[in-house]
Amino acid sequence: EVLLVASGGDLVQPGRSLRLSCAASGFSLGDHDMHWVRQAPGKGLEWVSGITWNTVTTDYADSVKGRFTISTDNARTSLYLQMNSLRTEDTALYYCAKSHSPFDAFHLWGQGTMVTVSS
Amino acid sequence: EIVLTQSPGTLSLSPGERVTLSCRASQSVRSNYLAWYQQKPGQAPRLLIYGASSRATGIPDRFSGSGAGTDFTLTISGLEPEDFAVYYCQQYDRSPRTFGQGTKVEIK
Repeated sequence: EVLLVASGGDLVQPGRSLRLSCAASGFSLGDHDMHWVRQAPGKGLEWVSGITWNTVTTDYADSVKGRFTISTDNARTSLYLQMNSLRTEDTALYYCAKSHSPFDAFHLWGQGTMVTVSS
Repeated sequence: EIVLTQSPGTLSLSPGERVTLSCRASQSVRSNYLAWYQQKPGQAPRLLIYGASSRATGIPDRFSGSGAGTDFTLTISGLEPEDFAVYYCQQYDRSPRTFGQGTKVEIK
């Protein structure tokens, strides 16, 4: 079964760091572009970051640029989002998602992992 | 940044009714790189339509998408009970890959 499972969400204080993971099963991340999308409580969807299938190109929303880093492991089974200098406005449910190419919709989504930034 | 504006914000309808949701872009979306997603409470979004009019795998044919340039539409030909949800459009033409604010389809 083709599946994405996100994990790593937690309650953290402002200014601290957190790393989210997204495990892929049934396919290789090396065959797909991958993305992180977040949803603040009761709000809509916001694209956060993306990485191409060959990891050559990464892209970020302005709201996280310079603070967040997207990456994959060498085995191409897991996607990561390193989040530094967290702010209260980063509080959201974070989804990982895959697309087939740089110009493609998000065909598969993980279930989401909750990040709460609060003192 | 391409801003997507969805209308209406909320629709109150009965099962069996036909639904038309609108998504308007602030700039032309090239090659119709426009998708529609459905999200139910407590669930991740699910892709319905990509390329403005192509149904994703497993999506029933009562869902259809149309449009080009700056104006796009999602139509549900006859609402089923499981279709009551929030619907989002998304453009993947340019970075950042923006979403509309969503349209909630609720039971009347």
